[in-house]
Amino acid sequence: EADIYQTPRYLVIGTGKKITLECSQTMGHDKMYWYQQDPGMELHLIHYSYGVNSTEKGDLSSESTVSRIRTEHFPLTLESARPSHTSQYLCASSPHDRDTGELFFGEGSRLTVL
Amino acid sequence: GQNIDQPTEMTATEGAIVQINCTYQTSGFNGLFWYQQHAGEAPTFLSYNVLDGLEEKGRFSSFLSRSKGYSYLLLKELQMKDSASYLCAVVDSNYQLIWGAGTKLIIKP
Repeated sequence: EADIYQTPRYLVIGTGKKITLECSQTMGHDKMYWYQQDPGMELHLIHYSYGVNSTEKGDLSSESTVSRIRTEHFPLTLESARPSHTSQYLCASSPHDRDTGELFFGEGSRLTVL
Repeated sequence: GQNIDQPTEMTATEGAIVQINCTYQTSGFNGLFWYQQHAGEAPTFLSYNVLDGLEEKGRFSSFLSRSKGYSYLLLKELQMKDSASYLCAVVDSNYQLIWGAGTKLIIKP
């Protein structure tokens, strides 16, 4: 069973607020990812990391930032939330020694911006 | 551009067999994943194919033909709990995952 946790699970906030979605994993995985997924749609990569102090931008990165100060922790920050950010955000991790290793997903954070 | 195609929705009967197809056009190929995602939950890993042929794992099997850019997921002895979305994802030449939109499978009694 995967040990990767996301908080909050659900969040409703107003436009313009700064929010941080937390993601932690206890498997010692080097690779971590943030995806955005709307209902019935494909996953879109926002950011990813290959290890501590490594962060890379995905397809939807322009309005968010991430940090990787510790192996187990990979938070995602939206500086100024907008209604277009309403979506489900999925965090995932993968072992470093396999470039094609399976992803272990957290339960997701469902964000609603009013 | 890169593209993954899957049927949007399929319906099948409990106890039957269903095949979910996935065709892909990507810049390079380093493997193909199938994930299961129940409504409101996170995806969970089902299978990984990198060589041509059939991989069997219990009631689920996954097939790959690299020359045709084609894969399918075969589910046997369908159970109600198999109602979910099934996501096809391809690893491209840069080892990035390209995701399909998923196939919603509805199981009827």
